Order: sequence, then C-alpha cells, then structure tokens
Amino acid sequence: DQQVKQNSPSLSVQEGRISILNCDYTNSMFDYFLWYKKYPAEGPTFLISISSIKDKNEDGRFTVFLNKSAKHLSLHIVPSQPGDSAVYFCAATESNYQLIWGAGTKLIIKP
Amino acid sequence: SQTIHQWPATLVQPVGSPLSLECTVEGTSNPNLYWYRQAAGRGLQLLFYSVGIGQISSEVPQNLSASRPQDRQFILSSKKLLLSDSGFYLCAWTGLAGGNEQFFGPGTRLTVL
Repeated sequence: DQQVKQNSPSLSVQEGRISILNCDYTNSMFDYFLWYKKYPAEGPTFLISISSIKDKNEDGRFTVFLNKSAKHLSLHIVPSQPGDSAVYFCAATESNYQLIWGAGTKLIIKP
Repeated sequence: SQTIHQWPATLVQPVGSPLSLECTVEGTSNPNLYWYRQAAGRGLQLLFYSVGIGQISSEVPQNLSASRPQDRQFILSSKKLLLSDSGFYLCAWTGLAGGNEQFFGPGTRLTVL
C-alpha cells in the first residue's frame, strides 16, 4: 500500500515556464512533508519542506503548497531552468524518524 | 558543517561474494542513520535505520544486514550477494534535534554479476 504517490513518472516543461510537480498521500497522521531533487548517480538533495500546520512555504524559485483536505501537495518551480532537470521525490513523515517516499517524477526542462 | 561519506563509489561483485559498504558522518553527534536502496527506475526503499550504537531496525527482510559499531559509522553487509542485490545504495543521516530532513551521501553503485 503506497502511502505517498507521485502519479506522473515524468514531466516536460519549457525553460522559463512554471513546473508543477504533484504528490498525493493517504495517511492523515503525516505532519511534515519534504521535496528532494536527485541527479543520476548522486544522492538526493533536500529542497524544501512544509509542516502540516501551514499551507504554503516559499524558498526562492521553489514553493510548496499543501492541501490537507485533499491530502495533496505540490512543488512549483518558477521560472524553470535547465539545471532543474532531475528526478524529484516527495516524502512524508509522522515525525517518527522515518520518511515515506514517493516513486519520483522525472522533470525535463526543454531549452 | 556536517558531511557524509560513502565508499566505495562503485562496486562490481560476483554472485555469492560478500559485501561491505561503509558510511561515516562528520560534524554531528548521535545522528539517526539510514540505508536506502534505489533499484533502476524506482523510488527509494528504506532497508535499515539506526537511532544509536548497536541499535538496528530492519524494514525489509532480505539478504542484507547492517551494523553500527560507532556513533557515526554505519555498515551494510551481505554474506552472499544475489543478482537482485544490484542497485544504488544510499546512506543518510538526520539529527535528533534537527527536524525531519534527511541528508544523503553520494551513494554506491553495486552491480552483481
């Protein structure tokens, strides 16, 4: 049973436009959500997170939105740049040492 | 600042051979440590985590084992590798007081032939 789902295996976006990556979850006990970026043959790097008491968190070009009633979060990247091409993982936790991971979405930024 | 090291970076091993992957963290004390595996085209699978020396929790029963002989050292082992053990192995750490973010090492690419 996948508690965290990223239903789009890949996404292609024109450079300069907005990239929107989506993530759904089923466990209402999750209280913290994170986004990671991963290049091939490297470890994931932490991007941005959000607590369940908030509905938006912004850091530069990256904004994460949380809709608790829909059990949905999204990562917005604007404007998209070629270096943003990577696999993006959504993760969630009940703040109990463990992260539950989505399967990832491969983002391709077209020049 | 904190850094995390993994070695080797790549490894090619025959089926049935033993395995030892090492992970060390610098610049922090008493971290939580994690071993993940990413199979080709797949997400991250948590294999083991440790909240202290000698304390190992296994998430998935399999051919692998983990040990934590020192506070900042985490080792992933196998006595006999299987073809299905091939993958990209990642070590991560998080601080007890540092929130929920996990920070990853560079990974080890293991190919079992």
